[in-house]
Amino acid sequence: AQKVTQAQTEISVVEKEDVTLDCVYETRDTTYYLFWYKQPPSGELVFLIRRNSFDEQNEISGRYSWNFQKSTSSFNFTITASQVVDSAVYFCALSEAPQETSGSRLTFGEGTQLTVNP
Amino acid sequence: DSGVTQTPKHLITATGQRVTLRCSPRSGDLSVYWYQQSLDQGLQFLIQYYNGEERAKGNILERFSAQQFPDLHSELNLSSLELGDSALYFCASSVEGSPPYEQYFGPGTRLTVT
Repeated sequence: AQKVTQAQTEISVVEKEDVTLDCVYETRDTTYYLFWYKQPPSGELVFLIRRNSFDEQNEISGRYSWNFQKSTSSFNFTITASQVVDSAVYFCALSEAPQETSGSRLTFGEGTQLTVNP
Repeated sequence: DSGVTQTPKHLITATGQRVTLRCSPRSGDLSVYWYQQSLDQGLQFLIQYYNGEERAKGNILERFSAQQFPDLHSELNLSSLELGDSALYFCASSVEGSPPYEQYFGPGTRLTVT
């Protein structure tokens, strides 16, 4: 069975600080995909990134960066120079390669509430 | 805007009642997923449809059912509602295939059972 753990329930930072959100996953598959989603106060879930298990290169998109380490089963998310608009709940999710009965379901972590104070 | 639409946005109903939640996927997406978000259970996968056929089932109660129509919109039917069914219900859509692609989520339907 697959599992995603986000040990940080809440993080509070002051604007312009860097912040890292941790994500640890468990899966028996060798092929899998990892995702991050953002849920702002308005409630919708916004897709941020998708990575596959064969690509361990770090990725940077503006102020966002992701560090994938297969050796520690982690897929951490860093926001550089945080802003008030980054305040949201961030979810890490895992999907294994589609099987006959498992489809492409996402297994989500519990989420991390990030509050960025001015 | 993800391109996924859900109606209604809010729904308040009484225990024992039945409701239908509706979802229209992004143009071109054949897969539709339903998720439930509650305080005690978090975000949980309920069911997936692909081009009208059920593809995968998660933690979906027997009182709940879903279908995907020929125009690809989907409905989630919740019956004999209980207080514990109060939650935010999300629909998502994606291009189906291998590997799994990102899912785009609708704004959700907030269900309150009183």
